[in-house]
Amino acid sequence: GQNIDQPTEMTATEGAIVQINCTYQTSGFNGLFWYQQHAGEAPTFLSYNVLDGLEEKGRFSSFLSRSKGYSYLLLKELQMKDSASYLCAVRDETGANNLFFGTGTRLTVIP
Amino acid sequence: EAGVAQSPRYKIIEKRQSVAFWCNPISGHATLYWYQQILGQGPKLLIQFQNNGVVDDSQLPKDRFSAERLKGVDSTLKIQPAKLEDSAVYLCASSLVGGGSPLHFGNGTRLTVT
Repeated sequence: GQNIDQPTEMTATEGAIVQINCTYQTSGFNGLFWYQQHAGEAPTFLSYNVLDGLEEKGRFSSFLSRSKGYSYLLLKELQMKDSASYLCAVRDETGANNLFFGTGTRLTVIP
Repeated sequence: EAGVAQSPRYKIIEKRQSVAFWCNPISGHATLYWYQQILGQGPKLLIQFQNNGVVDDSQLPKDRFSAERLKGVDSTLKIQPAKLEDSAVYLCASSLVGGGSPLHFGNGTRLTVT
């Protein structure tokens, strides 16, 4: 089975840096994805990690430690438009190689 | 490229009625998923297709939910009869085959069961 944990809510200030953590337990880890979801909209792909380390993509970076079952999403130079839910998702190669989502972290950026 | 298309965008039905949702994936994407997202929660996988075959439907409540993907392109998800707890957004996603391929989601169908 899969167990994915993330904080429910976070608040951060415009221009600041925020780190959203995700811990997971899964039978057959085969990659971790981060998605952004604005209210009422579809999730959109942000990043993918399958090996340990940091992946950087503009203002967003994602880190993975497979031995610790841990990932984080780092958002720099926060903008008001970054207010959204951030979903951590783990691909489990056991069976059908499906993608399982956590409950999401709702980030509110304040002026 | 065109994204994943879903319809309808919204649907309101009474309990015990039936409803169907339609999805057209991104061209060339062999894998198609249906997820259910209840307000305030993450998407929950219902079923995965690869081409026109079911890869995993272990989490689909088969007593009331059914899905098909005829000809390996478009897909429909049906609920019959609907219950109040089925109120949710139903998201369709597609991807290329491969563990590193991200899922691309449609805008979803927001279902309200009264």
